[in-house]
Amino acid sequence: GQNIDQPTEMTATEGAIVQINCTYQTSGFNGLFWYQQHAGEAPTFLSYNVLDGLEEKGRFSSFLSRSKGYSYLLLKELQMKDSASYLCAPLYGQNFVFGPGTRLSVLP
Amino acid sequence: DAGVTQSPTHLIKTRGQHVTLRCSPISGHKSVSWYQQVLGQGPQFIFQYYEKEERGRGNFPDRFSARQFPNYSSELNVNALLLGDSALYLCASSPTGGSYNEQFFGPGTRLTVL
Repeated sequence: GQNIDQPTEMTATEGAIVQINCTYQTSGFNGLFWYQQHAGEAPTFLSYNVLDGLEEKGRFSSFLSRSKGYSYLLLKELQMKDSASYLCAPLYGQNFVFGPGTRLSVLP
Repeated sequence: DAGVTQSPTHLIKTRGQHVTLRCSPISGHKSVSWYQQVLGQGPQFIFQYYEKEERGRGNFPDRFSARQFPNYSSELNVNALLLGDSALYLCASSPTGGSYNEQFFGPGTRLTVL
């Protein structure tokens, strides 16, 4: 497998900032996606990184270091609706390999 | 615009039976991928089809098969069902089969094998 590693669970407070880390194997790597999945729903696209650096999109940002096999998703100004699982999905060849997901709970 | 649609929404089968799951991609999308998601885990890639040809296959047994039709809809077939096949089956479509593919997921089919 591609040994994708994410924390299983995280908890944060409304209005705070949280960083969800992801590590993966670099061999055959083509890019990395982050998806959000609310309980009982399908995953929805958040971000895509192919080059090193930070991609910012509103309250969400994603960072990639290809040489280190490392990415993170940064969520700012947390809202209750951000409580969900966050899936790191490196692209190998033309196929995604999803990580186990990080379940984020946002508390009032 | 309609998103990815899947049918049925829920399905209950018994061990040894066969099941067919259906997916209609977003209009204009030519690639369909299938994933299995067991509760508490991330989706696992099963197949990708593009222009009616298989483009990729995950680490699943031959009991799993799929096809894509001329209208780009797709079916996933699973034979000789096992208890471990109980999962959410997700279909995702994308415009092309290229290496950068934002995939749009359908709501999934929840399969329970008793």
